[in-house]
Amino acid sequence: AQTVTQSQPEMSVQEAETVTLSCTYDTSENNYYLFWYKQPPSRQMILVIRQEAYKQQNATENRFSVNFQKAAKSFSLKISDSQLGDTAMYFCAFHDYKLSFGAGTTVTVRA
Amino acid sequence: DTAVSQTPKYLVTQMGNDKSIKCEQNLGHDTMYWYKQDSKKFLKIMFSYNNKELIINETVPNRFSPKSPDKAHLNLHINSLELGDSAVYFCASSQAITGTSGGTEGDTQYFGPGTRLTVL
Repeated sequence: AQTVTQSQPEMSVQEAETVTLSCTYDTSENNYYLFWYKQPPSRQMILVIRQEAYKQQNATENRFSVNFQKAAKSFSLKISDSQLGDTAMYFCAFHDYKLSFGAGTTVTVRA
Repeated sequence: DTAVSQTPKYLVTQMGNDKSIKCEQNLGHDTMYWYKQDSKKFLKIMFSYNNKELIINETVPNRFSPKSPDKAHLNLHINSLELGDSAVYFCASSQAITGTSGGTEGDTQYFGPGTRLTVL
């Protein structure tokens, strides 16, 4: 069974600064997919970024980037130049045959 | 344009009642999912359908019955509602079964706005 661990329940960051969210997962599979989803107070689940395990290059989407360390089974998310609209709960998710989510990290961006 | 929609957004009902939540996607996707998010925000898959065929059933009580009348719709019917069923239910869809698109991103799941179910 795969598990996804997000060890930081809450994080706070000043506007325009950088914050990094950690995620580790456990699997014996070699091919799988990893995702970060964002859930703002509106409750909508929004895809932030995805990474295929067979790709060595780290995925980037504008101010969002990941540090994927396959051997360490680590998949952290970096938010650069944080904006007030980034305030949300962030979920790391692992997929082989189904999507399994971590417990989430609440990110608060301070003005 | 709404991609994945759910109705209703809020549902308050009494224990023992039967209720349905509807989901529709206008993305032309082949695969649809139901997830449950509990009060601690933990999100877990319940069901997945591909081309109207059930492909994932994650040990959900048989009081929950998904129904897919066509590829664009996946409804969730819940019989004999219990207090523990109170949660937010999300529908999602993807073009292909996640993990099968060969990295084309066609298997990314897109979520609906959620339905908050409160059982009194």
